[in-house]
Amino acid sequence: QVYLVQSGAEVKEPGASVKVSCRASGYSLSNYVIHWVRQAPGQWLQWMGWINTDGNTKYSQTFQGRLTFTRDTSANTAYMELSSLRSEDTAVYYCARERSSGTYFEYWGQGALVTVSS
Amino acid sequence: QSALTQPASVAGSPGQSITISCTGTSSDVGGYNYVSWYQQHPGKAPKLILYHVSDRPSGVSNRFSGSKSGNTASLTISGLQAEDEADYYCSSYTTTVTYVFGTGTKVTVL
Repeated sequence: QVYLVQSGAEVKEPGASVKVSCRASGYSLSNYVIHWVRQAPGQWLQWMGWINTDGNTKYSQTFQGRLTFTRDTSANTAYMELSSLRSEDTAVYYCARERSSGTYFEYWGQGALVTVSS
Repeated sequence: QSALTQPASVAGSPGQSITISCTGTSSDVGGYNYVSWYQQHPGKAPKLILYHVSDRPSGVSNRFSGSKSGNTASLTISGLQAEDEADYYCSSYTTTVTYVFGTGTKVTVL
C-alpha cells in the first residue's frame, strides 16, 4: 500500500523559510517522480514543480528562485523548501507521486498547512 | 502559465448527468492527451478519477467519463449521487514540461 505522509502545520513570519517533508511508504522514493502542489484558502490547485528519479528538479516560474526540492533516499523522504515567505504563500502544500511515465498524479499526501503571518 | 478555465459551479439532481468543461490552449490541453481529473472533498487531498483524458484508475466508478475536443476537455458524471458533491479539477501536461491545473468546479447535488 502506497502512502505519502507529510509533516505538520507550520506558522512562519514574513521573510522566513519553511521546509515541508513528504515521507513515502510502500515503495522506493527514488523510483518515482514527486510533484509539489499548493492550494491557497478557497483557491484552486497550483502546480509548483517536480523532483525526478535522478534527483533533477523542475520549478514553476511562478516561484522565481524561492523554491528548492530535495530528497533523502535513505529516509525515503522528499522535501520542499520555500524561502522569502509572504502572506500570499499561506496555503496547504501537497506532495503527489506521478505514475511511472504517466503524466498524472496517482497518490497524494494529506497536505501540510503553512500559515505566513506576523 | 495561466490556469485552465472551468465553470465555477455545476448543479444537478440525483440520477442526472452533468458535464464539466476544461478549456486550455494548444500548448496544454490541445497539444497532448495528458489531461487528468481530480475530485476533492472539503478538507481532503485531491483524488485521481480520470487520466489520459478518459482512462479510469482501478476502483473509480464508471459513472465518471472523459473526452476531449480541440483545446477543451470534459468530465461527465452520470447517475449523479450525493457523494459526488465535491470540487473537481482538471490538469494538463504542457509544452514546457510543466503542469497546469484548472480553476476548479464545485459540483452541487440538489
